[in-house]
Amino acid sequence: KAGVTQTPRYLIKTRGQQVTLSCSPISGHRSVSWYQQTPGQGLQFLFEYFSETQRNKGNFPGRFSGRQFSNSRSEMNVSTLELGDSALYLCASSLGMNTEAFFGQGTRLTVV
Amino acid sequence: AQTVTQSQPEMSVQEAETVTLSCTYDTSESDYYLFWYKQPPSRQMILVIRQEAYKQQNATENRFSVNFQKAAKSFSLKISDSQLGDAAMYFCAYNPGNQFYFGTGTSLTVIP
Repeated sequence: KAGVTQTPRYLIKTRGQQVTLSCSPISGHRSVSWYQQTPGQGLQFLFEYFSETQRNKGNFPGRFSGRQFSNSRSEMNVSTLELGDSALYLCASSLGMNTEAFFGQGTRLTVV
Repeated sequence: AQTVTQSQPEMSVQEAETVTLSCTYDTSESDYYLFWYKQPPSRQMILVIRQEAYKQQNATENRFSVNFQKAAKSFSLKISDSQLGDAAMYFCAYNPGNQFYFGTGTSLTVIP
């Protein structure tokens, strides 16, 4: 069956703009989590959605938001982009939060 | 605070030899899950092995095994008969049931 699909794979944005990233989980998975990966901070948890509800949120400013649709697809949005938002954004889907998480290939966001 | 520490930023191993990657974590929870993920240059995180904290028996997956010491909060990964395809960044991860906490990673080089 298809894995976790993230689109787009690469993105270049200008400071101040906003961006929306998309994640399609594995069929049947209702939990979708987002992580930011940078060389300096490593992998940091952004938020987790389960059945369209945000169940958990990491320590990121309000510029970072997300949502989940009824088909479990998820989007994350970053508004008023800053240079420091340049990172690899990874999406993971799972049946539940304490089960194996399957990761997508990520979206590489570059803010210039 | 729940933290995961990987004290070896880089490791190398000769092909066909055995290598052990270290991981310690800090938690006050009694029930949780531990994982090792591999991230090759393609960026996609791939699950290597998983351990439930309530299980005393160490998990094993083919050439990969763990040494789980709950009292010491230690979770090391042993790779036997190392292959060139094992070269990647390895992340130790802890999940108490609501999110993943990742270590900073160990970059493994396999020398032919």
